[in-house]
Amino acid sequence: GESVGLHLPTLSVQEGDNSIINCAYSNSASDYFIWYKQESGKGPQFIIDIRSNMDKRQGQRVTVLLNKTVKHLSLQIAATQPGDSAVYFCAENGGTDKLIFGTGTRLQVFP
Amino acid sequence: DAGVIQSPRHEVTEMGQEVTLRCKPISGHDYLFWYRQTMMRGLELLIYFNNNVPIDDSGMPEDRFSAKMPNASFSTLKIQPSEPRDSAVYFCASKQALGGNEKLFFGSGTQLSVL
Repeated sequence: GESVGLHLPTLSVQEGDNSIINCAYSNSASDYFIWYKQESGKGPQFIIDIRSNMDKRQGQRVTVLLNKTVKHLSLQIAATQPGDSAVYFCAENGGTDKLIFGTGTRLQVFP
Repeated sequence: DAGVIQSPRHEVTEMGQEVTLRCKPISGHDYLFWYRQTMMRGLELLIYFNNNVPIDDSGMPEDRFSAKMPNASFSTLKIQPSEPRDSAVYFCASKQALGGNEKLFFGSGTQLSVL
């Protein structure tokens, strides 16, 4: 029979455009949030993180926005490149030592 | 630094066999995490250690799974007996909590196939 798996939302963007990947988190106790990038056959790789006392943090070509009121996190990638194609995960700590990951979003970059 | 090192990279075994996955965390890191990734469930936390002591094993699926950390530089995840539904990619990750650093560093994973 047909296997049923997680349906990963997919974001398709043209090279050079900006990408916005969204994430809803669930635990009000979370005070730390992080984005990872996972390429095929590799482990998750750190992109950027943010603490709950901030609402925005910028890195190189990436920005994370945190809206605690609606429990929403977003990752913005400027001038998206083919090398940005991957699955992106957000994670929260639930106020604990561990990270709980979301289901992920697949980013596809077209030339 | 070599990063988190996992072995083997791939493991193919038959149902009922014992499987042992290995992890060497980054030197100086005092937390170690085992995650499992499948299409059905995504990335799930199985167990984590702090200073070699298991802190939370609530994610371990059942008694067939066990994990140990005999010292700061080595951990194992054992499945005995293995079943086809255990097929997944198993990741080890570590972090250093000093200074409130929460960032996890992941290994390359072990792709397990149980036939």
